[in-house]
Amino acid sequence: AQTVTQSQPEMSVQEAETVTLSCTYDTSESDYYLFWYKQPPSRQMILVIRQEAYKQQNATENRFSVNFQKAAKSFSLKISDSQLGDAAMYFCAYSGTSGTYKYIFGTGTRLKVLA
Amino acid sequence: NAGVTQTPKFRILKIGQSMTLQCTQDMNHNYMYWYRQDPGMGLKLIYYSVGAGITDKGEVPNGYNVSRSTTEDFPLRLELAAPSQTSVYFCASSSAGAIQGHEQYFGPGTRLTVT
Repeated sequence: AQTVTQSQPEMSVQEAETVTLSCTYDTSESDYYLFWYKQPPSRQMILVIRQEAYKQQNATENRFSVNFQKAAKSFSLKISDSQLGDAAMYFCAYSGTSGTYKYIFGTGTRLKVLA
Repeated sequence: NAGVTQTPKFRILKIGQSMTLQCTQDMNHNYMYWYRQDPGMGLKLIYYSVGAGITDKGEVPNGYNVSRSTTEDFPLRLELAAPSQTSVYFCASSSAGAIQGHEQYFGPGTRLTVT
């Protein structure tokens, strides 16, 4: 069975600095998707970035980028030039491409941004 | 498009009462999901559906039931509410198409308290 692990319950970053959130996963599938979702205090789940396992190039969305290491089964999120609005819970998620396309979520990392 | 809508936003139930959480999406997505999020935790899958008339259990289905009579609607039924069901409930949908990369779209959540 697939698992997703986020080992950092909480992280802090100074405004305008860079922070990296860690995520590891376990799977026997060769093709899958990985995601980072942001959940601000409003509770709305917002997709931050997605990575397709068969693509070696790391995904980037403006200030957000990932370091995808397929062999190590690692998928970290880097936030550059951190802003106060980045403060939220961040969840790493896995979706397989066979069967029922279920998502498996990690337990989340709470990011605090210090002014 | 309204996306994924959920009603109600908040609800307080007494032990043993029943209720239905409503979820509707207007994106013509085949896949729909119900999650629960306990305080400080990630999302756990309760039930999911891959199309009208087809549902299956997720990780934590006990105490819940679902139905999927139309593509748009995916209600979640709690038959005999228990304090352990106090949580925030999220409904989500996805097209599951490869082009869309299996992105899930989430509703705003329902905060349920059972006392």
